[in-house]
Amino acid sequence: LAKTTQPISMDSYEGQEVNITCSHNNIATNDYITWYQQFPSQGPRFIIQGYKTKVTNEVASLFIPADRKSSTLSLPRVSLSDTAVYYCLVAFVYNQGGKLIFGQGTELSVKP
Amino acid sequence: AAGVIQSPRHLIKEKRETATLKCYPIPRHDTVYWYQQGPGQDPQFLISFYEKMQSDKGSIPDRFSAQQFSDYHSELNMSSLELGDSALYFCASSRDRGDTEAFFGQGTRLTVV
Repeated sequence: LAKTTQPISMDSYEGQEVNITCSHNNIATNDYITWYQQFPSQGPRFIIQGYKTKVTNEVASLFIPADRKSSTLSLPRVSLSDTAVYYCLVAFVYNQGGKLIFGQGTELSVKP
Repeated sequence: AAGVIQSPRHLIKEKRETATLKCYPIPRHDTVYWYQQGPGQDPQFLISFYEKMQSDKGSIPDRFSAQQFSDYHSELNMSSLELGDSALYFCASSRDRGDTEAFFGQGTRLTVV
C-alpha cells in the first residue's frame, strides 16, 4: 500500500479556504485517493474520493495532478466546526476485498 | 438512515479478563472493518470481513479474534486483556468490498484497569 505524508497540523481562521496536501509518491495505477474527517472520540467520516483531476462534492474539492503523486483537499470557507483531524488514504479498489489504512492525519484548527 | 451500531459504548475490564465487542453493520453492507485507536493515535486497522469470511488482517494481536455471523453482525473477542488494550474500537461497514467509502460506528471505549 502506498505510504502517505501529510502535515501534522494546520491553523486557519473562519471563512478562509483551507488546502491540505498529501503526498503519495508510490501510488499504484489502481489506487484511489480518499479523505476522511474525524472529530474527537468519533469514528472517521468519509469526505471525498478521487482517481485523477478534480472531484467536487457539497463539502470539499479534491485536486489530483496528472502524476497522481500528491493530492490536495480543499475546504471552502471553513467554520469552527471544521476543526478536526483529516486523513488522506490511498486504497486499492478491487473486488477481492480491501483495507483502509489510516496514516498520520492533519490536525486542522479553525480559529474565530 | 440506519448507521453502524456498536455495543457496548463503554466497557471497563480488569487485566487478564476477556471482552466482546459487537458491531451491527448497515443493512446490505457486506464488508465490515475493525479498528483500534489509542489515545492521541491514528486508527489502526485490525481485521476485515467480506460476506462473513475474513478478508484482510492488520495488526491484530493473537489474543484477539473476530468473526462475522450469518446475520452479518460481527464480534471482536479480546482475551488476556492488557492495560495497553485501552482504546476506542471502531467498527465500519461498506456497501461492497473494495469500496473506499466506509461508514463508521460511534465506537466502543474499552478501559482496562
